[in-house]
Amino acid sequence: EVQLVESGGDLVQPGGSLRLSCVGSGFTFSSHWMAWFRQAPGKGLEWVANMNPDASHKSYLDSVKGRFTISRDNAKNSLYLQMNSLRAEDTAIYYCARGNLHCFDFWGQGALITVSS
Amino acid sequence: DIVMTQSPLSLPVTPGEPASISCGSSQSLLQSNGYNNLHWYVQKPGQSPHLLIYLGSNRASGVPDRFSGSGSGTDFTLKISRVEAEDVGVYYCMQVLQSPITFGQGTRLEIK
Repeated sequence: EVQLVESGGDLVQPGGSLRLSCVGSGFTFSSHWMAWFRQAPGKGLEWVANMNPDASHKSYLDSVKGRFTISRDNAKNSLYLQMNSLRAEDTAIYYCARGNLHCFDFWGQGALITVSS
Repeated sequence: DIVMTQSPLSLPVTPGEPASISCGSSQSLLQSNGYNNLHWYVQKPGQSPHLLIYLGSNRASGVPDRFSGSGSGTDFTLKISRVEAEDVGVYYCMQVLQSPITFGQGTRLEIK
């Protein structure tokens, strides 16, 4: 059974940093593109970043470029999102998702990030 | 950026009746291989998004055959042949043809 489990969600002050983790199981993690998406309270879905299996290609939403870094450790079946200089508008549930079938076919349950003083 | 536009944004449906959601893109999503890079998801209350249809018209594993996707280029449709109570949720279209990956605004399906 494919599983993606995010962790690291928390309340953080504006300007602060946080690292999200996502552990995958039930599939060959090292063979798949992976991505982070987010959903602000009461809002729609938004792509944040993605990366290819060997981490040679990474893409970011313009509003997070220079502040967020996506990375992975295939030996640990893990995906990460390092978030720096956090803003109130980054408040959201963050989902990791597996790339497959030319889209992202499986999503984790999400981790809540609240940026507030 | 490719802008995705869904309609309607709210869709009240009587159980057993059909439902249809439209999704338009500001640029063609048709790839040179003949596939449309357009995908449909549903987010049921309190859950993470779940893939329904990929590449325009292919049902994901475990998705009932009352769900179907059609369209090409810039105009796409998700149809539910007979709505059931469990179909309540927000439906999103998404394109992965070009970065940034973008979504439609979402269509909230509710039961009358």
